[in-house]
Amino acid sequence: DAKTTQPNSMESNEEEPVHLPCNHSTISGTDYIHWYRQLPSQGPEYVIHGLTSNVNNRMASLAIAEDRKSSTLILHRATLRDAAVYYCILHMKTSYDKVIFGPGTSLSVIP
Amino acid sequence: EAGVTQFPSHSVIEKGQTVTLRCDPISGHDNLYWYRRVMGKEIKFLLHFVKESKQDESGMPNNRFLAERTGGTYSTLKVQPAELEDSGVYFCASSLQQGFSPLHFGNGTRLTVT
Repeated sequence: DAKTTQPNSMESNEEEPVHLPCNHSTISGTDYIHWYRQLPSQGPEYVIHGLTSNVNNRMASLAIAEDRKSSTLILHRATLRDAAVYYCILHMKTSYDKVIFGPGTSLSVIP
Repeated sequence: EAGVTQFPSHSVIEKGQTVTLRCDPISGHDNLYWYRRVMGKEIKFLLHFVKESKQDESGMPNNRFLAERTGGTYSTLKVQPAELEDSGVYFCASSLQQGFSPLHFGNGTRLTVT
């Protein structure tokens, strides 16, 4: 699986938007961009995924650069419950759907 | 629907003992995965079942680890004999089908080997 680069940590104020960046300059044309997050004392949780177009769901939005070498996970209004480690993961279309985790971004939300 | 459940939530054993972790996937999920996180490290893939067959066990650290999924339902991961470096959190995940079905994770079993 191709490598991603994320900041180690970020902070956000409660009720403000959060933009979590991810660089994946070696992404291939068939790689999907997946985001998972892990809340404290819980297992990882799927957030969103996309290929080329921006995606929205009830949890977040995913903005994908036109050249696909970077993407941004957007939490529109951060809550205390959003404090977690966020993982940006590339998933090769040709591989089985195991997920390979990197170190992720630890998001702190300040009340 | 019930999520992925893991048992026990915590286990403390002595070096050299045996421990068996259990995972009950979401009903109907053919794919089942085991992952673990040791202290200070990233979450690492261990193995992947499709129904009762081992699809990929490339992440299994050594032959002290044995995973089974008889009947293609629940799975067990046995560590025998346990070593200190086996301490960590073991996660199980399941998914509905291959391709891009998201993985659903359990809350993990925290294993401490003393």
